[in-house]
Amino acid sequence: DIQMTQSPSTLSASIGDRVTITCRASQSISSWLAWYQQKPGQAPKLLIYKASTLESGVPSRFSGSGSGTEFTVTISSLQPDDFATYYCQQYSSSSPLTFGGGTKVEIK
Amino acid sequence: QLQLQESGPGLVKPSETLSLTCTVSGDSIDSSYYYWGWIRQPPGKGLEWIGSIYYSGSPYYYNPSLKSRVSISVDKAKNQFSLKLSSVTAADTAVYYCARHSGTVSTTPLSHWGQGTLVTVSS
Repeated sequence: DIQMTQSPSTLSASIGDRVTITCRASQSISSWLAWYQQKPGQAPKLLIYKASTLESGVPSRFSGSGSGTEFTVTISSLQPDDFATYYCQQYSSSSPLTFGGGTKVEIK
Repeated sequence: QLQLQESGPGLVKPSETLSLTCTVSGDSIDSSYYYWGWIRQPPGKGLEWIGSIYYSGSPYYYNPSLKSRVSISVDKAKNQFSLKLSSVTAADTAVYYCARHSGTVSTTPLSHWGQGTLVTVSS
């Protein structure tokens, strides 16, 4: 299995802050990485795929980068709607598809 | 607009089989050539992929950690796909989500999700 490790597990930040979350894969996954945002009581929402491509309708303050084994998602200026838990997911291999453990972005 | 809706019992007894159905609206499973999947999330924990199936019913891929207990099938006539998980224990208590992959291969992200349904395993 390809293990996905996210850091930090919790992040405290203020409105307007620049926020970066890191995801590391246990082996190279090229750019086959997605990021999801999940709010309490809701299903995850796809934000970014292929490491850096924004899903339609996702605000431009979100950006993704990386390839191989190290990836990041950055929120350039944190907004109230962005407080949520973020998950990375590799889809290089479907045996199995795997998610990171999640990063909760909370209000400082 | 594509919508997915999970349905099934919210309470299952230990050792029994969990059965859920995902009803798709806004698109036809039979004409869209996508993969369809199931994902679960234990209360307060992260996401675990259970498995995915092609619109035609095969091929399908299961998480090796669940493979011996999982079965996913497609009913094109009803525009539904289903999950069966046998011999459940308390560890299978989770919110179960159905989702559609964004592409025609299993190695694509999950772009559309149902709202999720909580299944509790308890006697």
